[in-house]
Amino acid sequence: AQRVTQPEKLLSVFKGAPVELKCNYSYSGSPELFWYVQYSRQRLQLLLRHISRESIKGFTADLNKGETSFHLKKPFAQEEDSAMYYCALTANAGGTSYGKLTFGQGTILTVHP
Amino acid sequence: GAVVSQHPSWVICKSGTSVKIECRSLDFQATTMFWYRQFPKQSLMLMATSNEGSKATYEQGVEKDKFLINHASLTLSTLTVTSAHPEDSSFYICSATVGNQPQHFGDGTRLSIL
Repeated sequence: AQRVTQPEKLLSVFKGAPVELKCNYSYSGSPELFWYVQYSRQRLQLLLRHISRESIKGFTADLNKGETSFHLKKPFAQEEDSAMYYCALTANAGGTSYGKLTFGQGTILTVHP
Repeated sequence: GAVVSQHPSWVICKSGTSVKIECRSLDFQATTMFWYRQFPKQSLMLMATSNEGSKATYEQGVEKDKFLINHASLTLSTLTVTSAHPEDSSFYICSATVGNQPQHFGDGTRLSIL
């Protein structure tokens, strides 16, 4: 069974400080990992996809298969980054469960001025 | 692009009523749509996967006769909560995707059963 764990329900930082949202996963195969973000009163939207290996809004995330982690990082947090962040996993392409997302519990990030 | 519309956004009804929620992909044809349920302060839990023209695949523990899913076209999937009871009150979210592209989510529907 696949599982995604986000150990922090709440995370508060000050503007300009580095931020790291933790995500660990459990999956027997090779997963595809995502970070989704939900800003206040908005729908869930894709932030990052590990296979894209890109930086979005200054955020990056590296898949560490040894530690089974996919932590989300940003060197200088901004107030507009305040939101709910979900880490999610799906089976790799070709697997029978491909496309079905398993979500973590979510982390509420608050960036103070 | 890739907008998913969900309707209604909020519904309140009496116990025993059946409630239909629509999920539409507005600017793309979705090969697959997903239905999730989210309880307060909890994560999204996948209920079922819906492919156009075929029966939905339900996750373990989800009653298919309770939560009827119809995916009649590439742009519309519906979830009907039949004979709803207070324990069915929740936030229901749909998503849509094409091929192996990431899922695009609707705004969700808050269902309250009195």
